[in-house]
Amino acid sequence: EPEVTQTPSHQVTQMGQEVILRCVPISNHLYFYWYRQILGQKVEFLVSFYNNEISEKSEIFDDQFSVERPDGSNFTLKIRSTKLEDSAMYFCASSQGPPWQEKLFFGSGTQLSVL
Amino acid sequence: DQQVKQNSPSLSVQEGRISILNCDYTNSMFDYFLWYKKYPAEGPTFLISISSIKDKNEDGRFTVFLNKSAKHLSLHIVPSQPGDSAVYFCAASARGSTLGRLYFGRGTQLTVWP
Repeated sequence: EPEVTQTPSHQVTQMGQEVILRCVPISNHLYFYWYRQILGQKVEFLVSFYNNEISEKSEIFDDQFSVERPDGSNFTLKIRSTKLEDSAMYFCASSQGPPWQEKLFFGSGTQLSVL
Repeated sequence: DQQVKQNSPSLSVQEGRISILNCDYTNSMFDYFLWYKKYPAEGPTFLISISSIKDKNEDGRFTVFLNKSAKHLSLHIVPSQPGDSAVYFCAASARGSTLGRLYFGRGTQLTVWP
């Protein structure tokens, strides 16, 4: 079965540094997402992306965050200046259709640790 | 933001018996509901979904029931197997009010023992 792949699986960074989390969604999917899960808490929506633009973003997704689909296959999440509270498991997801019609396929996640 | 609630953080069931996981929601605009299963160090994996026009959906050992008036859904696993041990997340979305968001509950850790 096709899958969403994420790299790296673990990322350790110093507070204030920039990080880029990378994802390769399923090839025929049109909708792309980033979610995160802080240890012990629920999975939280960050941003959705469709037709080469952000379709929705959450309150968490402030100016420090950005997403890009640079080459038609990769989908990246950039955090410009990381904070301690950004430490979480970040999940990329994709779907063929909108989330009220189609299931999302999730990657295995990138564990981000900000020191 | 507790629009989707899973009030039981854990559930322990003997192999072969029924597992019932519960989920409540507060937003009456939600019209599509999903259950995801998550193993440690993996991403959530889709299990089963139901749209608001139905009250039941079955897929093998998994059945989801939706009670719209009570804003409640449940996942039944029959018979439960040790491989079902995982965290189960309930999720919901609303057509029209949002283009891209699933709302997740906090999850229920299911343990199926032999």
